[in-house]
Amino acid sequence: GAVVSQHPSWVICKSGTSVKIECRSLDFQATTMFWYRQFPKQSLMLMATSNEGSKATYEQGVEKDKFLINHASLTLSTLTVTSAHPEDSSFYICSASQTRGYNEQFFGPGTRLTVL
Amino acid sequence: GQNIDQPTEMTATEGAIVQINCTYQTSGFNGLFWYQQHAGEAPTFLSYNVLDGLEEKGRFSSFLSRSKGYSYLLLKELQMKDSASYLCAAMDSNYQLIWGAGTKLIIKP
Repeated sequence: GAVVSQHPSWVICKSGTSVKIECRSLDFQATTMFWYRQFPKQSLMLMATSNEGSKATYEQGVEKDKFLINHASLTLSTLTVTSAHPEDSSFYICSASQTRGYNEQFFGPGTRLTVL
Repeated sequence: GQNIDQPTEMTATEGAIVQINCTYQTSGFNGLFWYQQHAGEAPTFLSYNVLDGLEEKGRFSSFLSRSKGYSYLLLKELQMKDSASYLCAAMDSNYQLIWGAGTKLIIKP
């Protein structure tokens, strides 16, 4: 149990275009979903936390107008990178937990974004 | 501020034992997680400690000392497949995970 999927696994796009990444909890209801970004040889950087039905909470330095997060249901959250640029190229990982308090975060397999 | 410290890289021999240390400073504390991450993949959960002491799970064990703000992950009978990055993360009073930079573990034959 506790499987999280991400789609797509990898994407290459042109500079200036928008890219949508989906994160789904397949066998549980995810009250909270997290979006991380990871650059090569660096640790995970939390971008935002989203609770179902409410606006995402963005970490300091993360542009909410550039990284649009929607958590419309208990099993789906989406991250849209708008007007992507080469510096947005990174490994984007989502995770989900079943409650708002403590709970183990279950990670998706990640999405590798390359912006040309 | 909140901070997690762990070594950047460690090297060990196949079949041996290695201990990866982690120290943390957080606003409040709701537990300490260890995750394993192979290159190009997402992290996978290894352990969670919230009480002082040692938790053993097969070849992997995790220890916590809340008074010292210290944890370690102990890997026994090392296998080549254990080559990965090991991430330490502390959960603060807001249930937010504060991540360390990760320790890259290199296993040599």
